[in-house]
Amino acid sequence: GIQVEQSPPDLILQEGANSTLRCNFSDSVNNLQWFHQNPWGQLINLFYIPSGTKQNGRLSATTVATERYSLLYISSSQTTDSGVYFCAVELGGQNFVFGPGTRLSVLP
Amino acid sequence: DTGVSQNPRHKITKRGQNVTFRCDPISEHNRLYWYRQTLGQGPEFLTYFQNEAQLEKSRLLSDRFSAERPKGSFSTLEIQRTEQGDSAMYLCASSRVPGGVSTEAFFGQGTRLTVV
Repeated sequence: GIQVEQSPPDLILQEGANSTLRCNFSDSVNNLQWFHQNPWGQLINLFYIPSGTKQNGRLSATTVATERYSLLYISSSQTTDSGVYFCAVELGGQNFVFGPGTRLSVLP
Repeated sequence: DTGVSQNPRHKITKRGQNVTFRCDPISEHNRLYWYRQTLGQGPEFLTYFQNEAQLEKSRLLSDRFSAERPKGSFSTLEIQRTEQGDSAMYLCASSRVPGGVSTEAFFGQGTRLTVV
């Protein structure tokens, strides 16, 4: 099956710093989503981005489908950005496969 | 309808008991997924439905796990004879699938199961 890798596994930042999270996948995909999991376990949708670039406030994402990777950029990080970030890919109209996540800690 | 709803939010049960969780998807979504997440891991796919049809169930963890979506709306996930290893967060998601290609999926808040 398709493999999804995320890097780095852990990231510690000072408030105000910028960061880049990466998601690599082993096959062509139909869909890709980025999620933020909050401390209560809820997965919050950040981006639905099978290809191209999108921006939402301090966050932006780019997916290069032909090279099988996606990047999530967080600028001017805040303590509320802390949590686990997952990318999930879908192949062939079936289920989403999640990566192992990047755990982000933003220190005040 | 503002999102995917899961009930209960928390469930504590004794080993050997049966438990059932409910998921109400976003109303216009025809695809419904169940995932399981253990501590420190990403969500793991269990099964999914397209309307009332269960299209994939080989990833259910054992024959103690079963899921239904009888009228193509809400779904239930049942675990029989629970074991301590079943303790996890159970997540439900839904999406709209026009013509076989899924659109954006949305997750519920999850049901956290603790087996004692």
